[in-house]
Amino acid sequence: QQQVKQSPQSLIVQKGGISIINCAYENTAFDYFPWYQQFPGKGPALLIAIRPDVSEKKEGRFTISFNKSAKQFSLHIMDSQPGDSATYFCAASKRNTGNQFYFGTGTSLTVIP
Amino acid sequence: GAVVSQHPSWVICKSGTSVKIECRSLDFQATTMFWYRQFPKQSLMLMATSNEGSKATYEQGVEKDKFLINHASLTLSTLTVTSAHPEDSSFYICSATQPFSTSGKPRNTGELFFGEGSRLTVL
Repeated sequence: QQQVKQSPQSLIVQKGGISIINCAYENTAFDYFPWYQQFPGKGPALLIAIRPDVSEKKEGRFTISFNKSAKQFSLHIMDSQPGDSATYFCAASKRNTGNQFYFGTGTSLTVIP
Repeated sequence: GAVVSQHPSWVICKSGTSVKIECRSLDFQATTMFWYRQFPKQSLMLMATSNEGSKATYEQGVEKDKFLINHASLTLSTLTVTSAHPEDSSFYICSATQPFSTSGKPRNTGELFFGEGSRLTVL
């Protein structure tokens, strides 16, 4: 069973627009929700993360919105730029359990000039 | 953030040979490292959890005799693909969590850091 479901699979956004990627999780014991950015041929890089005690976290143009009751979290990229074109993965983990992470299936974002 | 280094970044080998990939945590001690496999345009597939000083824990369907994992120190884990075949061609990525700072004081950030990945092509 997919522990973390991610949508959409691909996304095309115009430069300057807002990119929104959504994830939903099953296990209410998860307490750490990171987003990773991956460029072709590279390993994923931690972009931003949130813990369930807050509903929103913002770092520059990147914002995570977290809805604990709905078991959903989303990544918003404001003022999207061509350099943001990459694959984005959401993930969830439960601390103190060996830190096993469950990943979404990924979203391929293309920002067109 | 913490740095995880992976080497080599790409390797081409002949069918039947063995290939070793190294994963190092450069500025922290990692008691646990993870090895993933990623096919083109797909998500990360966890292969095994590498524990320092003990045997790796393999995910269901991953052949432990095929993918040998050794975690001999707190900063190094290796993945050896034995008797590689073309179907083993893939992108292999290691990762590590940061349980301790370099000063040795416990600090469980829970964050997961990835290496740069290793592209294996078996001819």
